Amino acid sequence: EPEVTQTPSHQVTQMGQEVILRCVPISNHLYFYWYRQILGQKVEFLVSFYNNEISEKSEIFDDQFSVERPDGSNFTLKIRSTKLEDSAMYFCASRPSSEAFFGQGTRLTVV
Amino acid sequence: EDQVTQSPEALRLQEGESSSLNCSYTVSGLRGLFWYRQDPGKGPEFLFTLYSAGEEKEKERLKATLTKKESFLHITAPKPEDSATYLCASAGGADGLTFGKGTHLIIQP
Repeated sequence: EPEVTQTPSHQVTQMGQEVILRCVPISNHLYFYWYRQILGQKVEFLVSFYNNEISEKSEIFDDQFSVERPDGSNFTLKIRSTKLEDSAMYFCASRPSSEAFFGQGTRLTVV
Repeated sequence: EDQVTQSPEALRLQEGESSSLNCSYTVSGLRGLFWYRQDPGKGPEFLFTLYSAGEEKEKERLKATLTKKESFLHITAPKPEDSATYLCASAGGADGLTFGKGTHLIIQP
């Protein structure tokens, strides 16, 4: 069964460093998303991406964040200068029409 | 602003003891109401989409229903493997999903 794949599963980084989280969405899906979940809190929408451009972003998705689809399969989230409060699980999701399918997440720990 | 509230926050049941989880939503222009299951340290796993009041969907021991203000996830004769956090999410005017905090369900053998 096709699935959304995320790498790495766990990333530890020092405050102020740049990180890139990677995702391979399901191949025939057209809409791509990043969400985050701070420990013990709800899943929060960050950004949606369609037709090679951002279609919507939340207030959380500030200038520190960027997304890219560098080739036909990968979808990345970059955080330029990480802060302690960026520590969270980051989920990539993709959808063909209505239902979004999520990856297993990348646990980002900023120290 | 879309809002999704789930109750209870946590629920402990005996194996075989049926119950319901509640999801109240305030969404302008509901495009879909979604239920997901999330195991610890994992991503949300899609269960159901409901689009209009009166709609029902079933999968094994789970049945989801929708009214104009609420959705319920009914669990019939649950087993320990049904233990998880169940998330409700709405799709409205915004592109992304709005999630509730979830109901942490524990089924004791």
